[in-house]
Amino acid sequence: DAGVIQSPRHEVTEMGQEVTLRCKPISGHNSLFWYRQTMMRGLELLIYFNNNVPIDDSGMPEDRFSAKMPNASFSTLKIQPSEPRDSAVYFCASSLGQGAREQYFGPGTRLTVT
Amino acid sequence: LAKTTQPISMDSYEGQEVNITCSHNNIATNDYITWYQQFPSQGPRFIIQGYKTKVTNEVASLFIPADRKSSTLSLPRVSLSDTAVYYCLVGDVRSSNTGKLIFGQGTTLQVKP
Repeated sequence: DAGVIQSPRHEVTEMGQEVTLRCKPISGHNSLFWYRQTMMRGLELLIYFNNNVPIDDSGMPEDRFSAKMPNASFSTLKIQPSEPRDSAVYFCASSLGQGAREQYFGPGTRLTVT
Repeated sequence: LAKTTQPISMDSYEGQEVNITCSHNNIATNDYITWYQQFPSQGPRFIIQGYKTKVTNEVASLFIPADRKSSTLSLPRVSLSDTAVYYCLVGDVRSSNTGKLIFGQGTTLQVKP
């Protein structure tokens, strides 16, 4: 199995631009998580999907952030418009089942907004 | 909300056993304790999960006392490659509520030669 796949691995964009991060979970996993990691705030859960349905989006910072999961094998996290404070590493993770079951993390997308 | 507290950093030497303790005083009845490891520039990786007493796998052991208000991750005979950040989490494996999945600051383990 290829594991969780994220793209792009690195993204540099200018403030105000739209950014789309992509994730392909492990086949057969029915839960998908988006996290953001910074030195200041650590690893934060942004949103959680179960069976393609958003279950908990309380961690999404504001309306500039949106996430979709149109099918079981693909999810996107979009930031529009982007701001320098959005610079972080964004991780996608997937798991089989719900709650605190073992999560498999992707390699992350390092986003830099200038 | 079951918050966890762990030391910010620890140092060790190659070949030693390392024990990292995590405090979770408000752990709920259905919560499990999970530990993750994170290397620089990588996503966290699951190490071990347990509910009570002791759990052992090929890389670590997890000790949980009867009151479950703390847990200890034990890494036997560490090597330089075990230098990483270790996170302790508590949460209900059965619940769709992920509000308890808080990674916190973790413990940065530095293994020296």
